Order: sequence, then structure tokens, then C-alpha cells
Amino acid sequence: GQQLNQSPQSMFIQEGEDVSMNCTSSSIFNTWLWYKQEPGEGPVLLIALYKAGELTSNGRLTAQFGITRKDSFLNISASIPSDVGIYFCAGQLHQFYFGTGTSLTVIP
Amino acid sequence: DVKVTQSSRYLVKRTGEKVFLECVQDMDHENMFWYRQDPGLGLRLIYFSYDVKMKEKGDIPEGYSVSREKKERFSLILESASTNQTSMYLCASSSPSEYNEQFFGPGTRLTVL
Repeated sequence: GQQLNQSPQSMFIQEGEDVSMNCTSSSIFNTWLWYKQEPGEGPVLLIALYKAGELTSNGRLTAQFGITRKDSFLNISASIPSDVGIYFCAGQLHQFYFGTGTSLTVIP
Repeated sequence: DVKVTQSSRYLVKRTGEKVFLECVQDMDHENMFWYRQDPGLGLRLIYFSYDVKMKEKGDIPEGYSVSREKKERFSLILESASTNQTSMYLCASSSPSEYNEQFFGPGTRLTVL
């Protein structure tokens, strides 16, 4: 299957700091998605991107669909403790392919 | 609210046992998916289904089968469980019109001894 490289693998940050994570692929995707998974729960969709170059925000979250269609990034501004969780990127061609996840810890 | 439920949160089985993982969604979604989640590997697609009695293999179907007899229910079957199938199993569903938004269940953590 397709390989999505997601980085960083984990982050430990102070409350109030901004967070940036990204996802790259060797393949072109039609759609990029970002999910958040909290402990004991399934992933929940945060942002969906449908066009190359698209920049979309959802509250303090901003994500972009890379121009090459092979990458995407997610930014979280002014982090708060409830941002803790694992963030996954996913690219869609015919099916979905998920990144390996970025584990975020926010220290109050 | 879309609800995807999975029959068990935790399951412990022995090697060689036949295992059934059940998933039910209440939003009349046509599409349903089974993934397994392992540390460092993310989510990997096992099987998916676009309609009743229809199934397609994902990236890692070996050792698994599925059943979709009713629209709301999608079952994952491990014919003869092995220790390398110890994992978190996630079910998801989506509608064709909003294909990209998959709604996930809470997951079943399966341990095979």
C-alpha cells in the first residue's frame, strides 16, 4: 500500500505554543484529511482538503493541501491541554491511506 | 449524531480460535470499513464494503474475511486467530455523498494469546 510519512512522531509542548506537523507521500492524492484520536476513542475528522493549494481553518486549526498534491500540513495555534491526542493525516486516491500519527502532549 | 458502535472494547482470544468483530452504524451509510491500528504503522485498511453483500480487499486482507448481510452491519472475521493479529481494530462508515468523512467507532482492542 501507499506510505504516508508523518512527522514529527511525537511532540511535547507548553500550553500556549503553536504546533506544526506534516505529512508527505510519494504518490499524488485527490484529498487530504486530518484526524484526531483521543485515548480510548476512534479518530474524529478535523479538516478535509479537496484542492491543491487549498488552505482551510477550523478554529485554531489550519491545514493546507500541498501544491504538488503529495503533502499536507496541520498547524494548531495557541495549544491548550485538550489538544492532547494522536493526530493522523490521511490521503485519498481510490481508498484511504493513513499516516503513522503524531502524538501531541500539552504541558499546562 | 452519527453513531458507529463496535461489539466489544476489549477481547482476549486464544491462538486458533475463530473471532467475530461486529460493527453497527445507525446513519444508513452505504460504505463501511475495517482498519487495524498498530503503533508506528498508523491505520491500515483490511476490507471495505460499498453495499450489502459487497466486499473489497484493502491493503492487508490476509487472515481476515468480512460479511455484510445488512446495510447497517459489517463483521470482521478472523478464521483462525494468530498472535500477530493482536491489535486495535477500528470500524468506520461513510455515505457516498460525503465519502471523505469517515465516522469511526471506538475500536476493539484484541489480544490473541
